[in-house]
Amino acid sequence: DIQMTQSPSTLSASVGDRVTITCRASQSISSWLAWYQQKPGKAPKLLIYKASTLESGVPSRFSGSGSGTEFTLTISSLQPDDFATYYCQHYNGYSWTFGQGTKVEIK
Amino acid sequence: QVQLVESGGGVVQPGRSLRLSCAASGFTFSSYGMHWVRQAPGKGLEWVAVIWYDGTNKYYIDSVKGRFTISRDNSKNTLFLQINSLRGEDTAVYYCVKQAAAGPLDNWGQGTLVTVSS
Repeated sequence: DIQMTQSPSTLSASVGDRVTITCRASQSISSWLAWYQQKPGKAPKLLIYKASTLESGVPSRFSGSGSGTEFTLTISSLQPDDFATYYCQHYNGYSWTFGQGTKVEIK
Repeated sequence: QVQLVESGGGVVQPGRSLRLSCAASGFTFSSYGMHWVRQAPGKGLEWVAVIWYDGTNKYYIDSVKGRFTISRDNSKNTLFLQINSLRGEDTAVYYCVKQAAAGPLDNWGQGTLVTVSS
């Protein structure tokens, strides 16, 4: 089974900061990776799929990159609404595997 | 707009069974794969199961194989999750989720809480 590992687990940042979250797959997954944002008490929200395609309606300050085994989610200028937990997820048609999550906190 | 409304959660004793339902609207239900994803209190997201648009294929995470059954009724736009032999580690919010054509999970319900406790 493919394992997804995110780093860091927690990240402290300030409004306006550039933030990068990394997700590593235990074996190559091509570009079959999505990123989600979850706020406390709420359902997750799809941000990016196919590693770098922005979901409709998601602000352009979010971007994704990578392929194979290493991927990144970047927030170019952190906004107050962005403090949340972020998950990467691999999907392949028969298994959808999440990373353990990265909590972005206010510094 | 897409709406997914889960029901059926509650407090259940270990070893008992539960059936979760998800009423879907706002899209052509019979055209999309549907999933259940769970989240234990204070923990991360865990994908549980998927059923293809026509119900012909179903896949599960290893830890629930043999105990969980995903199904759907396309005539009623409803997704189900039958959970048998409930264990403490099944305590979680269970989300009903629509799969986008490209594969990721693009619409989520609000979740229903299952608590396994004696």
